[in-house]
Amino acid sequence: DAKTTQPNSMESNEEEPVHLPCNHSTISGTDYIHWYRQLPSQGPEYVIHGLTSNVNNRMASLAIAEDRKSSTLILHRATLRDAAVYYCILSGSSNTGKLIFGQGTTLQVKP
Amino acid sequence: EAQVTQNPRYLITVTGKKLTVTCSQNMNHEYMSWYRQDPGLGLRQIYYSMNVEVTDKGDVPEGYKVSRKEKRNFPLILESPSPNQTSLYFCASSLWAGGGVEAFFGQGTRLTVV
Repeated sequence: DAKTTQPNSMESNEEEPVHLPCNHSTISGTDYIHWYRQLPSQGPEYVIHGLTSNVNNRMASLAIAEDRKSSTLILHRATLRDAAVYYCILSGSSNTGKLIFGQGTTLQVKP
Repeated sequence: EAQVTQNPRYLITVTGKKLTVTCSQNMNHEYMSWYRQDPGLGLRQIYYSMNVEVTDKGDVPEGYKVSRKEKRNFPLILESPSPNQTSLYFCASSLWAGGGVEAFFGQGTRLTVV
């Protein structure tokens, strides 16, 4: 199973952009890059995913390096409600559908 | 509203007393799975199901059973719970098992076995 590496924690100020990095140097050609987040006392929530091109949705943007060995989740204007653990997950090359959740990045947003 | 519903949200039980945690999804998803979340260990997959009547073990299946008689339901059964099964449990579903699809998670069931 391909592995991802994320910083343990990051801090941001409210209403400022946040860039959450993820390294996945062993990514395979069929792996999609997914991001989920988990707010306190809740189940994981889908944020965004991509394969090769950068992606935007109402929650965030995903920037994928040209060699696909790293990616960055961008929250354009952090709010207090964005404080959560963010997980970068590779999905697609496994035939079990399993999502491998690492330790993730704990994002603190300061008012 | 698209959702995965787990019940109960909280449960305290005694060792050896059989229990079932229910999971239901309203999105006609083929793929469903169960995870447990423990401090320092993250989320680990217990069992998964590719479709009706098709289930398979995940990474930590010992002490658990599942069934998939209908597409929408995927109950988790603990025949004889033990204290090491005290954990936070999440059910998830997605259109299929491959990459590039969004997984929906339930709100979680916090189980304590005394």
